[in-house]
Amino acid sequence: DIVMTQSPDSLAVSLGERATINCKSSQSVLYISNNKNYLGWYQQKPGQPPKLLIYWASIRESGVPDRFSGSGSETDFTLTISSLQAEDVAVYYCQQYSDTPITFGQGTRLEIK
Amino acid sequence: QVQLVQSGAEVKKPGSSVKVSCKASRGTFRDYSFNWVRQAPGQGLEWMGGIIPLFGTVKYAQKFQGRVTITADESPTTAYMELSSLRSDDTAIYYCAGVEGITIFGSFDYWGLGTLVTVSS
Repeated sequence: DIVMTQSPDSLAVSLGERATINCKSSQSVLYISNNKNYLGWYQQKPGQPPKLLIYWASIRESGVPDRFSGSGSETDFTLTISSLQAEDVAVYYCQQYSDTPITFGQGTRLEIK
Repeated sequence: QVQLVQSGAEVKKPGSSVKVSCKASRGTFRDYSFNWVRQAPGQGLEWMGGIIPLFGTVKYAQKFQGRVTITADESPTTAYMELSSLRSDDTAIYYCAGVEGITIFGSFDYWGLGTLVTVSS
């Protein structure tokens, strides 16, 4: 199984400041044949299902604010929120969908400092 | 934007089975694949398995092999997840998640609101 490890487990950032969440996979999720990283980022607010933010590691889902961005390749990935807003308080998960079982990171809880 | 409408909350006894449904608000059998993800109270996300309805292809997580059955109906486009031999640690919210296109290997574009399954004697 591909193990996804996020860091940190929790993060407190001031409003308007940058938040960075890291995700490391135990093996590469890059498919050489199509040069795509099979990596997604999700946001989950209390009492709600997860919401897709980023797919193919760096493509922002339609309607997601452009302060959210994804980067990285192969085994190391980052989700960046450029200027934290109050509504960004949530738990964030990375996910690999390159192989089954599809696996998620343990989650990073983002709070306001 | 498609909505995935899941069946209602269930309370089950240990050893029994539960079947949760997930109906797509639009689209056809050919448009999506469906995955099932569960979340125990205060815990993270756990993939259970997925189905490509057009091909009938099903993949299960090893952890649930033999206890979970994922199926789909064409009209209306509905996916089902049945979990048997329920234990107290199966108490969780069960989410249906849709992938656009005929592949399990895609980001989970759409999510149902979840179905709370409580296992208690």
